Amino acid sequence: AQTVTQSQPEMSVQEAETVTLSCTYDTSESDYYLFWYKQPPSRQMILVIRQEAYKQQNATENRFSVNFQKAAKSFSLKISDSQLGDAAMYFCAYRSPMDSNYQLIWGAGTKLIIKP
Amino acid sequence: ETGVTQTPRHLVMGMTNKKSLKCEQHLGHNAMYWYKQSAKKPLELMFVYNFKEQTENNSVPSRFSPECPNSSHLFLHLHTLQPEDSALYLCASSPSLGTGNNYGYTFGSGTRLTVV
Repeated sequence: AQTVTQSQPEMSVQEAETVTLSCTYDTSESDYYLFWYKQPPSRQMILVIRQEAYKQQNATENRFSVNFQKAAKSFSLKISDSQLGDAAMYFCAYRSPMDSNYQLIWGAGTKLIIKP
Repeated sequence: ETGVTQTPRHLVMGMTNKKSLKCEQHLGHNAMYWYKQSAKKPLELMFVYNFKEQTENNSVPSRFSPECPNSSHLFLHLHTLQPEDSALYLCASSPSLGTGNNYGYTFGSGTRLTVV
């Protein structure tokens, strides 16, 4: 079974600086999808960025980018120019194309604190 | 407006009570999900509905009973819960199971449930 590990329960960064959140996963599949979700205090889970395993190019969404290392099974999230609104829980998730319900396997999350 | 609305936002109930959680989406999605989010644990998928049909029951105790009368509404009926059932219950939707899941899910803001 696939697993997702986020080894950093909490991270802090100074406003305007760059921070990287770690995520590793375990799978025997060659094709899959990876996601980063953000959960602010409002509690709504918001999709930040996604990556398809067959694509070698790292996904980028404005200030958010990923470092996808397929061989190492690593999927880290880099947030550039951190803003106060980035403070939230961040969850890494894996989706297998073989799961008939397309369910996500989630990490335990990393709490990101932004220092003004 | 998140697109997925959950009510109530907070709920406190006794172990002998019966209550229901409601989820509503106006996104035209056909798949809806219930997740349980406990502190410091990965999200747990509970139920999946696709075109009003339940496709997944992730070994959830029978004290949780889902209902999906149409593709826009999802309920979670609760009865004789235990204190360990206290958690944030999140509803999510996606265009369908077969397509669009690649783009992630749209989540509601959850119901914070406390069982006393």
